[in-house]
Parts: sequence; structure tokens; C-alpha cells
Amino acid sequence: AQKITQTQPGMFVQEKEAVTLDCTYDTSDPSYGLFWYKQPSSGEMIFLIYQGSYDQQNATEGRYSLNFQKARKSANLVISASQLGDSAMYFCAMRRLRYNQGGKLIFGQGTELSVKP
Amino acid sequence: GAGVSQTPSNKVTEKGKYVELRCDPISGHTALYWYRQSLGQGPEFLIYFQGTGAADDSGLPNDRFFAVRPEGSVSTLKIQRTERGDSAVYLCASSPGLQGPNEQFFGPGTRLTVL
Repeated sequence: AQKITQTQPGMFVQEKEAVTLDCTYDTSDPSYGLFWYKQPSSGEMIFLIYQGSYDQQNATEGRYSLNFQKARKSANLVISASQLGDSAMYFCAMRRLRYNQGGKLIFGQGTELSVKP
Repeated sequence: GAGVSQTPSNKVTEKGKYVELRCDPISGHTALYWYRQSLGQGPEFLIYFQGTGAADDSGLPNDRFFAVRPEGSVSTLKIQRTERGDSAVYLCASSPGLQGPNEQFFGPGTRLTVL
């Protein structure tokens, strides 16, 4: 069975500083994808970044980077230069990868990030 | 372009009633997903369609829940004999169904309240 664990219910960060949101996962599948989503108070889930299990390099998307440590089964999200608009819930998720097919996402419990001015 | 849309945005019903929740995916996306999110929790998978067929319905909690996607586009989630425990936000997502990240794009959700 697949499982995602996010151990930080809430985090605070000062504006313009970097913050790391933790995510560990458990799976027996050799091929999987890891995702981070942002959910503002409006409720919509916004895709941020993706890391494939066979990707050699850590994924980056603008101010977001994913610190992927396969042996430790962790996929932490790093947000650099935090902005007030980054205040939201952040969810780590994973799914099995199969050629040309989709698949269900398994989500963690989420981390609520608050950016202080 | 247009994103995933869901109607209604809010639905209040009484215990025991029947409800239908609609999802309109991004045009051309072959995969469609339903999730349920309770307060303070991450979304939980319900069912996934690839085209018109349900590829995985392992997340449906019981036989009161049913979903269809008859023409491979719009999907309807149907809940019979609603219970107070069904109260949650129901999220729909779609993805291109191609290889690669195949990230899922979510709609704004339908907030269901069962009184």
C-alpha cells in the first residue's frame, strides 16, 4: 500500500525567507511520481511541482524545488523567497506510474504554511 | 483556456435524500477523478475514469455512491440515501491521460452538507 506522511501540521516563515515542508512516503512500486499541491483558502488545488522516481535531478519550478532523497523516501518541498501569497495548505501526494495511464493520487494530511510580513 | 468546472458549488440536503454532483473536465482530457476532502484532511480518492469506463473505483465507500461518465467527458457523482457523514467537499480532477507527469488539474469542488 502507498502512504504519504506530512508531520508538520503548521509552519510559520518570515516573508522573503526560505521554508522546507517535509514529506515522507512509503510504496513498494518501483515506478512512482511525487507531487506537491497548494490549496489556498479558496479551496482549489493548484499543482506546483512533480518528481518522478527515476529522475536523476531534483525538480525545480521557479521558487519551488523538490529535495528528493530516494533512499530515505523523502520528497521535501522548498519554497525560496516566501511571499505573503504563499500562505496556504500544502499537500504532498504520490501515484503509481503506468505507461500512458493515469492513476489515483494518495495525499498526505497537509501542512498549513503562514507567511509573516 | 477553461479549467475543470463543478456544479453546484454548494449543496445542502437532508439525510436520506439523493444528490448528484457534476464535473466538467478540461476539454480533451481523457482521465477524470473524483476525490472527497473532509475538514482538515487531505483529499481521498473515490473513483477514476479513463474515457467512459471506470478504471478504478476502489475508493467508493459503499454502494450508495456511484459515478458515470457516459460520453467520456462530463461525469456525475451520485449519492443515494445521504448520511451526515457524507458531508465534505467533493473534488473533481482531470488529466491528459498521456505519459509523463500527467498531473491532475482540480476543479473548485462541491461542498456537500447533509443535515
